Amino acid sequence: EIVLTQSPATLSLSPGERATLSCRASQSVGSFLNWYQQKPGQAPRLLIFDASNRATGIPARFSGSGSETDFSLTISSVEPEDFVVYYCQQRSSWPFSFGQGTKLEIK
Amino acid sequence: VQLVESGGGLVQPGGSLRLSCAASGFTFTNYWMSWVRQAPGKGLEWVANVKQDGSQKNYMESTKGRFSISRDNVKNSLDLQMDSLRAEDTAVYYCVRGGGRLDGWGQGILVTVSS
Repeated sequence: EIVLTQSPATLSLSPGERATLSCRASQSVGSFLNWYQQKPGQAPRLLIFDASNRATGIPARFSGSGSETDFSLTISSVEPEDFVVYYCQQRSSWPFSFGQGTKLEIK
Repeated sequence: VQLVESGGGLVQPGGSLRLSCAASGFTFTNYWMSWVRQAPGKGLEWVANVKQDGSQKNYMESTKGRFSISRDNVKNSLDLQMDSLRAEDTAVYYCVRGGGRLDGWGQGILVTVSS
């Protein structure tokens, strides 16, 4: 089973700063890595699929990069509504798995 | 994309529950479908998925033999039959469009396993 480790667990930033969230896989997942955003009390929402492709309707300030075992989600300038939880997820091999999440909080 | 779950609630350990999901707003038969769960205050877990025609199904290890995913392509619905429920199955269960890329989510339904 592929284990995804997200870091940091919590990231404290001010609005307007650049955010970089990391996801490391225990073995190669190629480019089959997705990112989701979850706001309190809501279902997750797909942000980035296959490492670097923005999902429909996702603002351009969100971008993804990486391959094999190391991936990043970058928010170029954090908006107030971005201070929520983010999960990475691999679809390279079953069982598909999620990271434990990174909480982006206001500094 | 609209996905509406039903059938959740409180059940005793060892009991059974059947979740249903009504899908609309997209061509159901074009997509794999999945169930994903989230225990209170915890992260996400992929429970099971099913191929467009129902011919292929995958389950997380801890639910094999206890949970069964199925779909009705005439009614555009997705089900999850859950037997031998345990306290650790307590979670919000989401019906989700997709088999690997989850691009449409229901609002979720709470399943509580407790005596």
